[in-house]
Amino acid sequence: GAVVSQHPSRVICKSGTSVKIECRSLDFQATTMFWYRQFPKQSLMLMATSNEGSKATYEQGVEKDKFLINHASLTLSTLTVTSAHPEDSSFYICSATKPDRAYGNTIYFGEGSWLTVV
Amino acid sequence: GQSLEQPSEVTAVEGAIVQINCTYQTSGFYGLSWYQQHDGGAPTFLSYNALDGLEETGRFSSFLSRSDSYGYLLLQELQMKDSASYFCAALYNFNKFYFGSGTKLNVKP
Repeated sequence: GAVVSQHPSRVICKSGTSVKIECRSLDFQATTMFWYRQFPKQSLMLMATSNEGSKATYEQGVEKDKFLINHASLTLSTLTVTSAHPEDSSFYICSATKPDRAYGNTIYFGEGSWLTVV
Repeated sequence: GQSLEQPSEVTAVEGAIVQINCTYQTSGFYGLSWYQQHDGGAPTFLSYNALDGLEETGRFSSFLSRSDSYGYLLLQELQMKDSASYFCAALYNFNKFYFGSGTKLNVKP
């Protein structure tokens, strides 16, 4: 079953509105989660590192005021796309690292969220 | 971010063997993963190499050479369902992935 869950899987929003995407670690605590974005037929691009209890760190070129990240608990990180525009339409996916005694840390990805801004 | 290089597209016939190469930057590198992504779907994990050598999982194998900053994914006995995009992803600083641009594999009858 899923280890990291994202919600919603698909969302359509109007231009100018904000939309929130949740990423949950289901049976483990994740002090750090990561958010990626993938445009059609392109690669996954790391957007930011979500740190529980502190500010997210953003990759170069990613607008922190537009992509708000909150990691208020050890099992939940949220990405809010503010004042969304059609060019923000993309596939957003998160990952979290689960401690594993046998293999060290194992990285799991969520199922991803398709955002369409109309 | 870190940059990874992989071919953009590969075409092969059913039953054949295909190798998809990936080169990466070494600073902070921990390991190399491979993901498969079908159109419209999320990436799915295929393999992870932290040590040099070949890891075999059924028809798929993955190889890593740290000294050469190079790895590859080997797909054997190709099937039509293997047509997808394949991404290498290098793990840096223990838990941060950077992805290659992806290789679109076309399997023909």
